[in-house]
Amino acid sequence: DGGITQSPKYLFRKEGQNVTLSCEQNLNHDAMYWYRQDPGQGLRLIYYSQIVNDFQKGDIAEGYSVSREKKESFPLTVTSAQKNPTAFYLCASTAGGELFFGEGSRLTVL
Amino acid sequence: RKEVEQDPGPFNVPEGATVAFNCTYSNSASQSFFWYRQDCRKEPKLLMSVYSSGNEDGRFTAQLNRASQYISLLIRDSKLSDSATYLCVVPRRAYQAGTALIFGKGTTLSVSS
Repeated sequence: DGGITQSPKYLFRKEGQNVTLSCEQNLNHDAMYWYRQDPGQGLRLIYYSQIVNDFQKGDIAEGYSVSREKKESFPLTVTSAQKNPTAFYLCASTAGGELFFGEGSRLTVL
Repeated sequence: RKEVEQDPGPFNVPEGATVAFNCTYSNSASQSFFWYRQDCRKEPKLLMSVYSSGNEDGRFTAQLNRASQYISLLIRDSKLSDSATYLCVVPRRAYQAGTALIFGKGTTLSVSS
């Protein structure tokens, strides 16, 4: 089945550690997105990519980094510079219509 | 005006009721709009796309008012299963794959028996 796979589903991290969230899609979509959701809030755009080897900062990119070396993959690194990293992270892809989401990764910083 | 703004609710309605949500947007260049549904602790899923004046799918109707820059979502004959958060999505410019897509904070609907 085609879809988006995010891993890990749950992740705990100590303060000061970097962590990388994986996002893989087999939908052959060019565009991919990373969003962050805090409790009771909507989704806020972190980074997005229109095509391989290209990506743009979203509204809350500080403390995050991404790469887009392959069409299928768009990993997100949460660095120690991100002051409040505990959140629900959602990856999505699209061919220009519907956004398809992964099941999300819940990051908790201890 | 905020880029995308929704009434957070919650909207508490009985089964069978009709309920409407509004979403206002600031960028007059936006052409396409979307309503997503999100269940608690789950990923959002597309409910409806709105490309022109409106769209209808069964009990759900979305309408676009470009002059006043808002999109509405009407749910008729509410079911218990409609309880969820409804997210309004607006592209930051003319929509194509790779355009920044901005989500509202969502409107929470609770349908009771």
